[in-house]
Amino acid sequence: DAKTTQPPSMDCAEGRAANLPCNHSTISGNEYVYWYRQIHSQGPQYIIHGLKNNETNEMASLIITEDRKSSTLILPHATLRDTAVYYCIVSGLTGGGNKLTFGTGTQLKVEL
Amino acid sequence: GAVVSQHPSWVICKSGTSVKIECRSLDFQATTMFWYRQFPKQSLMLMATSNEGSKATYEQGVEKDKFLINHASLTLSTLTVTSAHPEDSSFYICSARQGGRSGANVLTFGAGSRLTVL
Repeated sequence: DAKTTQPPSMDCAEGRAANLPCNHSTISGNEYVYWYRQIHSQGPQYIIHGLKNNETNEMASLIITEDRKSSTLILPHATLRDTAVYYCIVSGLTGGGNKLTFGTGTQLKVEL
Repeated sequence: GAVVSQHPSWVICKSGTSVKIECRSLDFQATTMFWYRQFPKQSLMLMATSNEGSKATYEQGVEKDKFLINHASLTLSTLTVTSAHPEDSSFYICSARQGGRSGANVLTFGAGSRLTVL
C-alpha cells in the first residue's frame, strides 16, 4: 500500500473550515484514499473515501487532485467535537491491500 | 449503520493470567475482522487479520501463541492475550469490513478494549 504524509498537527477556529492535506505520491491506480478519525480513547471512525472523483457526505468533503498524488479532507464548519487525530490511508484490495495501515495522522485541534 | 461491539471496554488483570476480548459485528456479517493495538500517544498497529473458519494471519513480529485469535462465526472474533505481562498493557481495537461498498475497503471499528496488566 502507498505511504501517506500528513502534517503532525493543525489548529482551526470553531465554525471555520478545516482543510487537512495528505500526500500520497506513490498511489497506484486501484488504490482508494480513506479518511478516518480517532477521538481520544475511542476507536477510529470512518469519515469518507474516494478513488478519483471528489466526494462529499454529511461529515466532510474529499478533494483528490487530478494526478491523485494528494488529497484534502474538508470539514466545512469545524466544531469542538471535531478535535481528533485524522488519518489518511491509501489502500487497494489486492496484494494484501485488504487491510488498512495507519500512519501517524494529523492532530486537529478546534478552538473557540 | 454498521456497528462493531467490543467487550470488555476495559480490563485489569494480574501478570501471568489470560484475558479474552470479544469483537462482534452487530448488524452485518464479517468474514474478515482485524485486530489492532495502540500504545499511548502512538498510532494503531495492525496485529492480525481474523478470517472466519480459518487461521488468523499475523503481522510480522506479533506472536501468534501469545495473541490467540478465534473467528468461529460470521459475527464474532475473539482475541486472547495469554500469560499477560505489564508490557502487554495497551488499547486493543477490532474492526470489520462492511459489505456492499464495491471496490472499497471501508472498516467499522469497535470502541476498543483497554487492558492493564499489573
